[in-house]
Amino acid sequence: ETGVTQSPTHLIKTRGQQVTLRCSSQSGHNTVSWYQQALGQGPQFIFQYYREEENGRGNFPPRFSGLQFPNYSSELNVNALELDDSALYLCASSETSGEEQFFGPGTRLTVL
Amino acid sequence: SQQGEEDPQALSIQEGENATMNCSYKTSINNLQWYRQNSGRGLVHLILIRSNEREKHSGRLRVTLDTSKKSSSLLITASRAADTASYFCATDWSNDYKLSFGAGTTVTVRA
Repeated sequence: ETGVTQSPTHLIKTRGQQVTLRCSSQSGHNTVSWYQQALGQGPQFIFQYYREEENGRGNFPPRFSGLQFPNYSSELNVNALELDDSALYLCASSETSGEEQFFGPGTRLTVL
Repeated sequence: SQQGEEDPQALSIQEGENATMNCSYKTSINNLQWYRQNSGRGLVHLILIRSNEREKHSGRLRVTLDTSKKSSSLLITASRAADTASYFCATDWSNDYKLSFGAGTTVTVRA
């Protein structure tokens, strides 16, 4: 059974740029959630995708957007990057009826 | 906003000692989960306790839940160096698997 994978591991961007982060969910999981974790803080829920549809969103502006593909992999897109977007971005997958979320290793984004 | 708040923020103990950390939350929940994170990497699920449960065990872990006080505790018995990590409580209050995390407790186990 393959776990949750994320790419890239690290990324450096400058203010105003756009970034795309990718996540492959665990086999058999059709729900993917994205979290932002600032240094020294707990993860903050960005949004969740279930069967290619957005299924809930946290308190993040519209420049944070996402996609889920038929194979349940997912992308997180952030436009017009700001310095405060520097964080660890975590993706987690779960079964439809499951409650435990399986997290990927994260993508460390630095915005200069 | 962060639903759960862990206490203490940091904990340093000797190998073999027990470590206890607490979590308080604000609204009614369906379940409460504890996760571990090593060195800013991905989170690992430790244990889930439902709102109708009071105590749960998993290996060296013991979790309690008091819904009247809106609080939970995680006890790690006979700690090991490998238990050094940050521990987060997360609440599922919408039953849609959108977890709300606290800021975490950083545990350091000294050899």
